[in-house]
This record gives sequence, structure tokens and C-alpha cells, in this order.
Amino acid sequence: EAAVTQSPRNKVTVTGGNVTLSCRQTNSHNYMYWYRQDTGHGLRLIHYSYGAGNLQIGDVPDGYKATRTTQEDFFLLLELASPSQTSLYFCASSAGYNQAPLFGEGTRLSVL
Amino acid sequence: GDSVTQKEGLVTLTEGLPVMLNCTYQTIYSNAFLFWYVHYLNESPRLLLKSSTDNKRTEHQGFHATLHKSSSSFHLQKSSAQLSDSALYYCALNTGANTGKLTFGHGTILRVHP
Repeated sequence: EAAVTQSPRNKVTVTGGNVTLSCRQTNSHNYMYWYRQDTGHGLRLIHYSYGAGNLQIGDVPDGYKATRTTQEDFFLLLELASPSQTSLYFCASSAGYNQAPLFGEGTRLSVL
Repeated sequence: GDSVTQKEGLVTLTEGLPVMLNCTYQTIYSNAFLFWYVHYLNESPRLLLKSSTDNKRTEHQGFHATLHKSSSSFHLQKSSAQLSDSALYYCALNTGANTGKLTFGHGTILRVHP
């Protein structure tokens, strides 16, 4: 069964802290995405990738790094977390550039 | 740049009444793909409908939408709202330009009451 798994599901850190959010897909999908969801803004694309080693910049990349280490794994890094990065983060994957992404269950991040 | 507009932030309906959630988009590309996602609280957003064919109605789970490229619209409709339809609905655009980038609107919360 197609799946996108995110970890951790919840994370609390302090301002200036270092956070890594993990995403793994077992769907053999080429594309992977990181979105953040905020009330009034909807889902906003942070970074995405179309294969291992590839990284594309999304619409709200400031303060975030990402790395695609394998076809299955896509990481989002916050090296100096700020309260403005408190949000619900979703990872997604899709088979092709025009295919509908499949979403993970989300990671709720709080930066105090 | 590419964008999606969902003009209603919140739609409140009585059960049994018709549903229409608006979605318009902007892109310079003519081969756009449009999607509707539904997001229930504490779940993952999931695909409801998708289309890339002009003027063709697409249906799923009682919902339907028709992509109209002439007006850049992809409105979501249902003939009779149910309590279980209460959720957050997103319209999304893939320009079809081989980038893989999917742009979402701000979302519309649909609340259906008895």
C-alpha cells in the first residue's frame, strides 16, 4: 500500500534550536515535497525534489534547508529555528510531474 | 507567477443544500492540471478530483468539477451537502511545465450543519 511516513509527529524546540524533520516514501515515487500549513495561508511549498540528490526551491524557502539522500528519504532542516516556523508540516510524494501527490500525516512543530 | 485563488475562506451550509466552492487560477501555461484535495482534521490531505481536460466534467464521491480554461476556473460542486462533508478543501495547480511544482490555494473550510 502506498505510504508516506513522517517523523517525528510532534516536536517542540526553542528559538535557535536545530530541527530535522524526516520523510520516507515506499511508493517508488520520483517527486517529493515539503509543505507547511498555516491558517489563512493554506499549504505553501518549501522545497521539493525530483530524485536523489536533487533539490528545487519552493515558494517559502527562507530558513529551511532540505536534502534528498535516496529516492525514499527527504529531510527538512531548520538550523536556527524561529517562532515564525511554528506550523504543521506535510511531506508528499508523487510518481510524475503532473501526478497528484500523496501526503503524509504531518509533523506539528512548535518553536518556543 | 502561478497562483490559485479560493475566494471563500469559510462556507457554512445546511445539510441537503448544494455545495459550490470556487477556484480560479493564473498561469501562462496552457496545459495546466487542476486538483481538489480534501483535508479532514487530524488526517492527511487526500485527492478528491483532478482534471487537465478542458470542459470535461470529472466526478468522485458525489463531488464534481469542470475545468474551464477560458475562464481559468475549476469550481467544486455537490448537489446535496452532508454533515460528513465538513472539512478543509484545497484547490491546487500544476502548470504542466514539467517542473513537478504544485501550487495550492489558501483553502476553503466547509461547515455543514443540521
